[in-house]
Amino acid sequence: KQEVTQIPAALSVPEGENLVLNCSFTDSAIYNLQWFRQDPGKGLTSLLLIQSSQREQTSGRLNASLDKSSGRSTLYIAASQPGDSATYLCAVTPLETSGSRLTFGEGTQLTVNP
Amino acid sequence: NAGVTQTPKFRILKIGQSMTLQCAQDMNHNYMYWYRQDPGMGLKLIYYSVGAGITDKGEVPNGYNVSRSTTEDFPLRLELAAPSQTSVYFCASSDDLDPDEQYFGPGTRLTVT
Repeated sequence: KQEVTQIPAALSVPEGENLVLNCSFTDSAIYNLQWFRQDPGKGLTSLLLIQSSQREQTSGRLNASLDKSSGRSTLYIAASQPGDSATYLCAVTPLETSGSRLTFGEGTQLTVNP
Repeated sequence: NAGVTQTPKFRILKIGQSMTLQCAQDMNHNYMYWYRQDPGMGLKLIYYSVGAGITDKGEVPNGYNVSRSTTEDFPLRLELAAPSQTSVYFCASSDDLDPDEQYFGPGTRLTVT
């Protein structure tokens, strides 16, 4: 059974700092991996999706990497801002799937202090 | 487009009561999903549907039922509410061509006491 773990559970940093969030998964037979952002009281928003054949994806100040063989992904946030404060979740899609059945990690709660 | 909408936003149930959580999407997506999120945890899939009339169990289906009579709507039914069903429930949808790009609703916070 696929298990997804995120470390740390919570992170507090001063504004402007570069930071890395970690995600690990136990079964490397994945189709892709996604990073989501969740704001309090709201649903999830997809930030980056990395296909299993890719090594990384970038969007603005965000960069996500994927090392499928070691079962790890990182989300790098450059020059963090208070508006980046949210919970970040990673999720994997297994290879054998119908209807895109995502397995989520527990999330990292990020606070960026002004 | 309204995207994915969920009602109600909040609900308190007594043990043994039943209720239906409503979910609708206006993007003509065939794929729809119900997740639950317990405090400090990730989302777990309850049920999903790949089209009208087709539903299947996810990871944690016990205590829930779903139906999909139209493309737009995917209600989730709790028949005999239990404290273990206290959670935040999210509905999501995605398109056939890109099923992994799921669009989420704002969630329903349910408390069973």
